Amino acid sequence: DTGVSQDPRHKITKRGQNVTFRCDPISEHNRLYWYRQTLGQGPEFLTYFQNEAQLEKSRLLSDRFSAERPKGSFSTLEIQRTEQGDSAMYLCASSSGTANTGELFFGEGSRLTVL
Amino acid sequence: AQTVTQSQPEMSVQEAETVTLSCTYDTSENNYYLFWYKQPPSRQMILVIRQEAYKQQNATENRFSVNFQKAAKSFSLKISDSQLGDTAMYFCAFMKHGGGTSYGKLTFGQGTILTVHP
Repeated sequence: DTGVSQDPRHKITKRGQNVTFRCDPISEHNRLYWYRQTLGQGPEFLTYFQNEAQLEKSRLLSDRFSAERPKGSFSTLEIQRTEQGDSAMYLCASSSGTANTGELFFGEGSRLTVL
Repeated sequence: AQTVTQSQPEMSVQEAETVTLSCTYDTSENNYYLFWYKQPPSRQMILVIRQEAYKQQNATENRFSVNFQKAAKSFSLKISDSQLGDTAMYFCAFMKHGGGTSYGKLTFGQGTILTVHP
């Protein structure tokens, strides 16, 4: 297993377009997280899945954002009608629900630029 | 709600020397984890070191150690014998203990850019 992978790594889009990011977690991890990181800031929690269930969503996740994890494996994060303020790095992380170490394993992120 | 503050936006150190990165946090929780994560340029964030709040002993991982002061809500990272590969953004992070939906929900500080000079 090569770790958490995210696709695409970079996305440039025009305001108003829809974008979708994909995350493939470490295969045995049942927990998956999305974070957003703006330039010069620490990541901020967006949402969290345990298996296919979305258990928590941040207030940062407006109605234009939707995340899914349909089979409890990979996850997608879709942003509809993008705005310039959505420009950020979107980080995915996964963890094992049984290890209970608190450690998250992060992907390299998907950088979004909205023009 | 928890807050994490890193008051040093940038730090630099000479190779082989020691550097300390500062972190303070605010919480009403008694049981929690604290972490230092490293984010090298254009690479994924990785865990450097973890501290459980109920443990009084400071965590150490090879050249990395922490000074955990629970009463003062302080959690600094010391890097000994700094190496060029330590150049990265370092984030201090907090997580409530106890499972449930809080598990894995990290609150990060703003980060400290560390540059190790040859």
